[in-house]
Amino acid sequence: EVQLVQSGAEVKKPGESLRISCKGSGYSFPYYWIGWVRQMPGKGLEWMGIIYPGDSDTRYSPSFQGQVTISADKSISTAYLQWSSLKASDTAMYYCARAPQLWELPYYWGQGTLVTVSS
Amino acid sequence: QSVLTQPPSASGTPGQRVTISCSGSSSNIGSNYVYWYQQFPGAAPKFLIYRNNQRPSGVPDRFSGSKSGTSASLAISGLRSEDEADYYCAAWDDSLSGVFGGGTKLTVL
Repeated sequence: EVQLVQSGAEVKKPGESLRISCKGSGYSFPYYWIGWVRQMPGKGLEWMGIIYPGDSDTRYSPSFQGQVTISADKSISTAYLQWSSLKASDTAMYYCARAPQLWELPYYWGQGTLVTVSS
Repeated sequence: QSVLTQPPSASGTPGQRVTISCSGSSSNIGSNYVYWYQQFPGAAPKFLIYRNNQRPSGVPDRFSGSKSGTSASLAISGLRSEDEADYYCAAWDDSLSGVFGGGTKLTVL
């Protein structure tokens, strides 16, 4: 069974750094793309970017380029989403999701990680 | 402002057929597959339709997808109270990014 298990909820202050994770199981992790999606409170889904763990090929949505870093460690079947300096506007639920190919949207989704940024 | 355009709300009575539209452009829906997701409050999205009109196993055949040109639609027949949820269309864009619709809140009256 394909599973994506994300790290737990985080509460951070503006300016702090953060890395959240997404661990895949039940399939060959290096060979499927992992995308990240943001959902701000009461809002819709926003595509952030996607990574191929096999070679770390990464593509960012223009809206998120330079704002976050997506990475992966195929040796432990885990993808990451990272911020160097959080803002209050980063408060949202973040989902990782597995896509079969670069030009396809995800089929399987993680449970989400809630990030709250507040002073 | 979402790249794909959906109506913010839709409604129907039990047993009715409801359609949700999704409008895009030649760089996304016009040249790539369309996907539909269902999301209940407090839950992660669940994929409902892939590659325009394919249903994953476990999704009832009451749900169907179609695409024509730069538009797509999701149809739900035999509407049930448990179908009340948010529905999102999505597609890959030729700019090498996924794009979503703003979501449609379906109410079963």
